Amino acid sequence: LAKTTQPISMDSYEGQEVNITCSHNNIATNDYITWYQQFPSQGPRFIIQGYKTKVTNEVASLFIPADRKSSTLSLPRVSLSDTAVYYCLVGSPSGAGSYQLTFGKGTKLSVIP
Amino acid sequence: SQTIHQWPATLVQPVGSPLSLECTVEGTSNPNLYWYRQAAGRGLQLLFYSIGIDQISSEVPQNLSASRPQDRQFILSSKKLLLSDSGFYLCAWSFTSRGETQYFGPGTRLLVL
Repeated sequence: LAKTTQPISMDSYEGQEVNITCSHNNIATNDYITWYQQFPSQGPRFIIQGYKTKVTNEVASLFIPADRKSSTLSLPRVSLSDTAVYYCLVGSPSGAGSYQLTFGKGTKLSVIP
Repeated sequence: SQTIHQWPATLVQPVGSPLSLECTVEGTSNPNLYWYRQAAGRGLQLLFYSIGIDQISSEVPQNLSASRPQDRQFILSSKKLLLSDSGFYLCAWSFTSRGETQYFGPGTRLLVL
């Protein structure tokens, strides 16, 4: 299983762009990279997923370099409601036929007014 | 659309008492199912995952067990709770063929006293 490393915490002012980088040096060829957002006392919520290059949706962008050993979640113009813990997740099919996923320790983003 | 339910939402149990947490998924069939635990201020720890009825894999040795009596029902149990079992328990599901995108339930907050 690919291990992931993220910064423990980040602070940002409202309206700024926030970039959170996740390292996954031993990512496998068929691994996808997924990011989740978690608010206190709630289950994580899917944000974005990618395999290579760049992916963008209505919430965020995900940048993945060619070697795929890291990925960067980009949140444009954050607001106070973006204060949450963000998890980087790298996963691939296991021998049992299901996907075993490794959650990183997460990055606690605090948005300051 | 698919929904996932967990109950109870909150539980306070004495040390040594039994535990039963239930998770059900609606709107899909043959999902992969997962149980996670999150200690206060910590990341998510995968406890069990299941690819089908009576097909359950354990990720971490402990005094917890899981069962899947029906296709969309996943139960987490313990015969005797320990203080260290306190935490936030999350159930998640994924489509069989795309396990890297998981959808989480609202969670159960367990406090063992």
